[in-house]
Amino acid sequence: KAGVTQTPRYLIKTRGQQVTLSCSPISGHRSVSWYQQTPGQGLQFLFEYFSETQRNKGNFPGRFSGRQFSNSRSEMNVSTLELGDSALYLCASSERPGEREQFFGPGTRLTVL
Amino acid sequence: GQSLEQPSEVTAVEGAIVQINCTYQTSGFYGLSWYQQHDGGAPTFLSYNALDGLEETGRFSSFLSRSDSYGYLLLQELQMKDSASYFCAVRGWNSGGYQKVTFGTGTKLQVIP
Repeated sequence: KAGVTQTPRYLIKTRGQQVTLSCSPISGHRSVSWYQQTPGQGLQFLFEYFSETQRNKGNFPGRFSGRQFSNSRSEMNVSTLELGDSALYLCASSERPGEREQFFGPGTRLTVL
Repeated sequence: GQSLEQPSEVTAVEGAIVQINCTYQTSGFYGLSWYQQHDGGAPTFLSYNALDGLEETGRFSSFLSRSDSYGYLLLQELQMKDSASYFCAVRGWNSGGYQKVTFGTGTKLQVIP
């Protein structure tokens, strides 16, 4: 099986712009979670989708949003980018919520200038 | 809410044994996971404990005490390739009744010759 894929791998944006990141889970996985990773902060949970429904949401401002499509692919969007949004954005998939193991993609490295 | 504490850095000698501790606070508890992440890589699943006791997977073992809200990852016969960051993650539930995963800030392990 192919692993979790994320596109793009690298992205450079300027403050005020918006960005959309994409995640394709492992075939058969219907749960997709998104995390933001910055040095010293670990992995901060953004949101989780299952069957096109947001099941969980972390403590991020409304500028961060996401969605999931019927084929389980997921996108996250960040509007009005700020310098502090520079981070590695990881998505992880599992067959369903509550699985003991999540499979992570390689991440999208976002730099906001 | 959920929170986890783990040491930020640990240094150990090749061939030795190292223990990485994790204490957590969570509203509701399903299990504690451990992930490994090499620099520039994606987190990969190592181990999961839902019940008290020790789980062994090769050179890696993980322990859980639910009454103490405490767990640890034990790495034996350390190899240079074990130099990485290690994250504990607790699976609990949110106010909406859905399961949620919260990661710790990670422990950077340096293995020295």
